[in-house]
Amino acid sequence: GAVVSQHPSRVICKSGTSVKIECRSLDFQATTMFWYRQFPKQSLMLMATSNEGSKATYEQGVEKDKFLINHASLTLSTLTVTSAHPEDSSFYICSASKAGKETQYFGPGTRLLVL
Amino acid sequence: AQSVAQPEDQVNVAEGNPLTVKCTYSVSENPYLFWYVQYPNRGLQFLLKYITGDNLVKGSYGFEAEFNKSQTSFHLKKPSALVSDSALYFCAVGGLTGGGNKLTFGTGTQLKVEL
Repeated sequence: GAVVSQHPSRVICKSGTSVKIECRSLDFQATTMFWYRQFPKQSLMLMATSNEGSKATYEQGVEKDKFLINHASLTLSTLTVTSAHPEDSSFYICSASKAGKETQYFGPGTRLLVL
Repeated sequence: AQSVAQPEDQVNVAEGNPLTVKCTYSVSENPYLFWYVQYPNRGLQFLLKYITGDNLVKGSYGFEAEFNKSQTSFHLKKPSALVSDSALYFCAVGGLTGGGNKLTFGTGTQLKVEL
């Protein structure tokens, strides 16, 4: 149990375009989902926390208008990188947790390359 | 504020030998502590957690960790390392808030198990 999927696993796009990444909890209801960014050989940096049906809470320094997060259902959250630029190239990882539970379960990640 | 430190960027150990990956934490209240493992180009896999109770926590794949409050440590251990244990290991500290369990990750320790 507690499987989280992400789609796509890898995406290449041109500078200026927008990219949507989906995060799904496959076998549980995720009241809270988290979006992280990981640079090569570095740790995970939390970008935002999203609760189903409410606006996401962004970490300091993360542009909410650039990284749009939607958590419309208990099994799906999306991250849209708007007007992507090469510096947005990174490994994006989502995680999900159950209501009142401490453990986060992570998706396999999405590799974004902006040309 | 909560933080976690992994003092070793890399740990090398021979297969069959015991391994230890170190982690110390700083948190104002009772911590929730986690270990995750990451294989190349993949998301994080949950290994084990300490919330309360017995200080020795057993997790997946034969790993265990000991919560030491006086030393504020949560070192990951395994009695006999396998080559397949080679991966990147992250320690994380968190605590339940209104928005779920927000984790802070260490910088990661690369474990290399050699024949």
